[in-house]
Amino acid sequence: AQSVTQLDSQVPVFEEAPVELRCNYSSSVSVYLFWYVQYPNQGLQLLLKYLSGSTLVESINGFEAEFNKSQTSFHLRKPSVHISDTAEYFCAVSLNRDDKIIFGKGTRLHILP
Amino acid sequence: DAGITQSPRYKITETGRQVTLMCHQTWSHSYMFWYRQDLGHGLRLIYYSAAADITDKGEVPDGYVVSRSKTENFPLTLESATRSQTSVYFCATDRGLAIGELFFGEGSRLTVL
Repeated sequence: AQSVTQLDSQVPVFEEAPVELRCNYSSSVSVYLFWYVQYPNQGLQLLLKYLSGSTLVESINGFEAEFNKSQTSFHLRKPSVHISDTAEYFCAVSLNRDDKIIFGKGTRLHILP
Repeated sequence: DAGITQSPRYKITETGRQVTLMCHQTWSHSYMFWYRQDLGHGLRLIYYSAAADITDKGEVPDGYVVSRSKTENFPLTLESATRSQTSVYFCATDRGLAIGELFFGEGSRLTVL
């Protein structure tokens, strides 16, 4: 079965500094990969996804993630974070269109002033 | 705005009591999911449903019961609540517009005393 490992439970970073949130997956077959974001006291929202094609995917608010098949990774990056990026970020994996989505344990991003 | 709604938003109950968490979606799309969110565990899938009258177990189904007699409703029942079921429960639906794009409700915070 597929699984997702988020290597950091919390990541503190200064405002306007770059950040990387790490995600590794385990699967013997091709997968779909996702990053979701959860702002305080809200449900999760899809941030970006990789289905096929270009290995670099971007979100509308400046985040990007790169699918690396050889390293089975899908790390999330942003070159300059803002206080509004404070949230918990979840990496997730699915085997196919009709399969359930399995989430990692989440990484809390703390933006320091 | 149409969407997915959960009720109750907050619930306190006692060990051994039956509790039902409701989930309603206005899109009438096929897939619905129940997740629980716990510190240190992230989101874990409890049950999911591909259509009315079709349900399947997720990662942590023990102690829970679901039904799906109508496409728009997906209630989650704890037949005999235990303290370990204290959690935040999220219902989600796949609107069917794009792979992996789950839409989450705002969550139901359950405390079992």
